[in-house]
Amino acid sequence: QKEVEQDPGPLSVPEGAIVSLNCTYSNSAFQYFMWYRQYSRKGPELLMYTYSSGNKEDGRFTAQVDKSSKYISLFIRDSQPSDSATYLCAMSQTGGSNYKLTFGKGTLLTVNP
Amino acid sequence: DVKVTQSSRYLVKRTGEKVFLECVQDMDHENMFWYRQDPGLGLRLIYFSYDVKMKEKGDIPEGYSVSREKKERFSLILESASTNQTSMYLCASSLLESLNTIYFGEGSWLTVV
Repeated sequence: QKEVEQDPGPLSVPEGAIVSLNCTYSNSAFQYFMWYRQYSRKGPELLMYTYSSGNKEDGRFTAQVDKSSKYISLFIRDSQPSDSATYLCAMSQTGGSNYKLTFGKGTLLTVNP
Repeated sequence: DVKVTQSSRYLVKRTGEKVFLECVQDMDHENMFWYRQDPGLGLRLIYFSYDVKMKEKGDIPEGYSVSREKKERFSLILESASTNQTSMYLCASSLLESLNTIYFGEGSWLTVV
């Protein structure tokens, strides 16, 4: 079983839809969970960061972590064409000097006007 | 605003050539990273450095070396480029104890012919 699994999509939704992006993982030692957004031919940019289980909201974006199920989600409300990008989940065992970030392979999202 | 600058966005090199990819960050970050990103394989860590002249191998260091002579600069070196090193290369940086705040450059697209 891969350490982090992410549905590659592609996912295509109409403008205004609620989008749900998900990752599952196998390593129960992961404690820090991140979502990155990557536009075509650009580097990833950090969108959301959460520690352990729970929810975190930032504007139209909500990150959810369920450690008991080893499942994380990113919800995008009122999706916009500018949200069209690849979304990468990432996780690590510690938030300190452990450099090892494990990434999902990314989900390609297209929001149609 | 954190800036990670990769000086070469698009390069075409011949098999066997020595290739240098340069990365500079302007936020006094201790950690610097080199990843490569390939379709279907996601992001893979090549090398990591947590201080000047210090380096650690990542998941796929074979065929690569790195140099960090100054804190703000991290170079990736392909000693003898091969076609299987055609990829997008991403440099990133973070504070020593803040893995959650890893910032990426825009990427360098390398084609080896």
